[in-house]
Amino acid sequence: EDQVTQSPEALRLQEGESSSLNCSYTVSGLRGLFWYRQDPGKGPEFLFTLYSAGEEKEKERLKATLTKKESFLHITAPKPEDSATYLCAVPHGSSNTGKLIFGQGTTLQVKP
Amino acid sequence: EPEVTQTPSHQVTQMGQEVILRCVPISNHLYFYWYRQILGQKVEFLVSFYNNEISEKSEIFDDQFSVERPDGSNFTLKIRSTKLEDSAMYFCASIGGSGALHGYTFGSGTRLTVV
Repeated sequence: EDQVTQSPEALRLQEGESSSLNCSYTVSGLRGLFWYRQDPGKGPEFLFTLYSAGEEKEKERLKATLTKKESFLHITAPKPEDSATYLCAVPHGSSNTGKLIFGQGTTLQVKP
Repeated sequence: EPEVTQTPSHQVTQMGQEVILRCVPISNHLYFYWYRQILGQKVEFLVSFYNNEISEKSEIFDDQFSVERPDGSNFTLKIRSTKLEDSAMYFCASIGGSGALHGYTFGSGTRLTVV
């Protein structure tokens, strides 16, 4: 059964304190791994898609990396506005239009 | 940037009443989805819709739920007889014909409260 597990569940950082979020996945044939940001009471906002082991993508203070079993979201010198829940998801099934299986998310709080 | 629009943003309903949640997906997208998120829990898949029919549904999506694309722009989720446990955020999502190369785009959600 496809599964996505994120850790830690919650992370509190001081502004400027870099860290990483982990997403471990078990799928039969990876068809992409997605990172989303979710603010309270809002929908998931797309950040990155990663397709193959070794791939990296960057956006401002965020960098996502992918191995055969997990993905990391590295946050460099975070700011308070980076506070949010970060979700990892993988598509289920043999196509890249299948339902997404989400992890439970990591709630990041960045204190000034 | 194109958006997925959901209305209403918040709906309060009595248990047993019917509700319709509305979504306007991105105009050139072909695949449409409904997800829900119970407070404090994971985002979970309900149903996918392509070419005017359901392509996949979860075990949550029982006979009380239905989806429809009544015209070229709207995509609706109907819950016939709401239960307390249907209280959740409901998200609509869509992707284009090339699949999820650019990610699934989600709407801001409808918060459904069943009392």
